[in-house]
Amino acid sequence: DAGVTQSPTHLIKTRGQQVTLRCSPKSGHDTVSWYQQALGQGPQFIFQYYEEEERQRGNFPDRFSGHQFPNYSSELNVNALLLGDSALYLCASSLDRGVRAEAFFGQGTRLTVV
Amino acid sequence: AQKVTQAQTEISVVEKEDVTLDCVYETRDTTYYLFWYKQPPSGELVFLIRRNSFDEQNEISGRYSWNFQKSTSSFNFTITASQVVDSAVYFCALSGGYGGATNKLIFGTGTLLAVQP
Repeated sequence: DAGVTQSPTHLIKTRGQQVTLRCSPKSGHDTVSWYQQALGQGPQFIFQYYEEEERQRGNFPDRFSGHQFPNYSSELNVNALLLGDSALYLCASSLDRGVRAEAFFGQGTRLTVV
Repeated sequence: AQKVTQAQTEISVVEKEDVTLDCVYETRDTTYYLFWYKQPPSGELVFLIRRNSFDEQNEISGRYSWNFQKSTSSFNFTITASQVVDSAVYFCALSGGYGGATNKLIFGTGTLLAVQP
């Protein structure tokens, strides 16, 4: 049973460019959350998708957007990249979105903005 | 507001020593969950344990044990007889809020554990 998979694993972009990161949730999971983890910090919640809609959002600007597809996979898009967007982006999936739902994390996409 | 504090930035121990990682949390919710995750250099967050706010029983799983105390808002994690493979960053996290309708996690800043042979 495949766990959460993310692609690509590493990415280098230039300031001002746009990037799309992808996530396939664990089999049977319908909820996908995205987190940003800056170097030396804990992950910060970006947003969560459930039933193809953004259900909850953290304190991130509108440059960060996402999408969830009917097969529950998800994309994270970041426009007008800034140097400060360099981070490890983690995708987490869960069976539902209630408070007790255990989140399973992927290995992350390391984005470097130069 | 919800907050998780891990005051220990880095801990270095010699193999076979016991080590305790501290976690203090803040929340106004009555129903919440606490988690510990391990992050090896590969980057993936590995789930270790989940406790709910109504269950203060301590738990032991092999060399791992957890001490949850609501009175002090703490959820500490102890590794007994540490091994080199335990070297990683450990995160404490809290979920709750929105009437229990979300599993959004609030993470601490993590504790880097280095176990020397």
